[in-house]
Formats: sequence, C-alpha cells, structure tokens
Amino acid sequence: AQTVTQSQPEMSVQEAETVTLSCTYDTSENNYYLFWYKQPPSRQMILVIRQEAYKQQNATENRFSVNFQKAAKSFSLKISDSQLGDTAMYFCAVPNNAGNMLTFGGGTRLMVKP
Amino acid sequence: NAGVMQNPRHLVRRRGQEARLRCSPMKGHSHVYWYRQLPEEGLKFMVYLQKENIIDESGMPKERFSAEFPKEGPSILRIQQVVRGDSAAYFCASSPDGNNEQFFGPGTRLTVL
Repeated sequence: AQTVTQSQPEMSVQEAETVTLSCTYDTSENNYYLFWYKQPPSRQMILVIRQEAYKQQNATENRFSVNFQKAAKSFSLKISDSQLGDTAMYFCAVPNNAGNMLTFGGGTRLMVKP
Repeated sequence: NAGVMQNPRHLVRRRGQEARLRCSPMKGHSHVYWYRQLPEEGLKFMVYLQKENIIDESGMPKERFSAEFPKEGPSILRIQQVVRGDSAAYFCASSPDGNNEQFFGPGTRLTVL
C-alpha cells in the first residue's frame, strides 16, 4: 500500500521569507509523478507543482520549487518570498501503481505572518 | 474550458436520508475520481470511474455508497441512509486519459444532522 507522510502538521513563516514543507512517501514504482496541492480556506484543491520521478532536475514554478530525493523517497516543497495568499493547507500526493488514484499525506497547515 | 463542476456545494441531510452528489468533469475528460476529506485530514480515495464503468472502488464503503458515470450526464456519488459519520467534504477530480494528473472540483460539503 502507498504511504505518504507529512511530518509537520503546522508551520508559520514571515512574509517574504522562505519556508520548506517536507514529504516522504513509499512506492514500488519507478516511473511516477509526485504532486503538491494547496487547499486555501475556500477548500478548493489547487495543483501547485508536480515532479516527474524519472527527471533528475527539480521542478520549479515561479516561487515554488521542489527538492526531490528519489533514493530517499523525499519530496519537499520550498516556497520563496512567501506571500499572505500562500496561507493554506498543503498536501503532498503520490499516485498508486496503476496511476488511477492519488494517496495524500495528512497535510501541513502553513500560516504566513505579516 | 470550464473546470470540474460539482453540485451542490453544500448539502444538509438528516440521518437516514439519501445524499446525491454530482460531478461534471472537464470537457474532454472521461476519467472521474471521487475522494472524501474528513475534517483536519487529507483526501482519501473512494472510487475511479470511466464512462459507464467502475474501474476501482477499493476505497468506497461496501454498504450505502454507490457511484456511477453514465454515458450522458454527470457522475453521481450516492449515499443512502446517511449517518453523522458521513459528514465530510467530497471532492471529484477528472483527467483526460487516466494518467496521473487530476484536476479537482470545488467539493461538496455534506452535513448530516
């Protein structure tokens, strides 16, 4: 069974600073994607960034980047220049072997302080 | 291209009633997934459907829950004889070809009184 672990239930960061959210997972697949989703108070699930496991280069989307360590099965999210609008729950997600469902971590609640 | 649509956004039912949740996938998407989110938890997979077929229902309770995705119309998640423990947010996601990227709807928040 897939497992995804987010070890930080809550984090806070000052506006304009950098924060890193951790995620570890377990999968027997070799080629897969990994995802970070943001869930603001509106509860909408918003895809933040995705990483293809066969690519060595870490994915980057504007202020969001990942540190993907395949051997360690670690997939952390770095948010640079944090903004108040980044305040939300963040979920790491990994697909199952068949690629037909996502297993989510328990989430990290991020608070960006002015 | 409209995103994934879910309705209603909020649904209140009394114990023992039926709840019907609807999901219209993005245009061109024939793969639909349902997830449930309990308060303060991550999303948990329930069921995966393609048009007219249930592909994987391993996450769905065996009793009272059913799902369909007919040839025409939205996907429906149906919960019969609801209980208080069914109170949760139910999210639908769709994808064009069953690969890993899923696009989520806004969710339906079910409250059972």
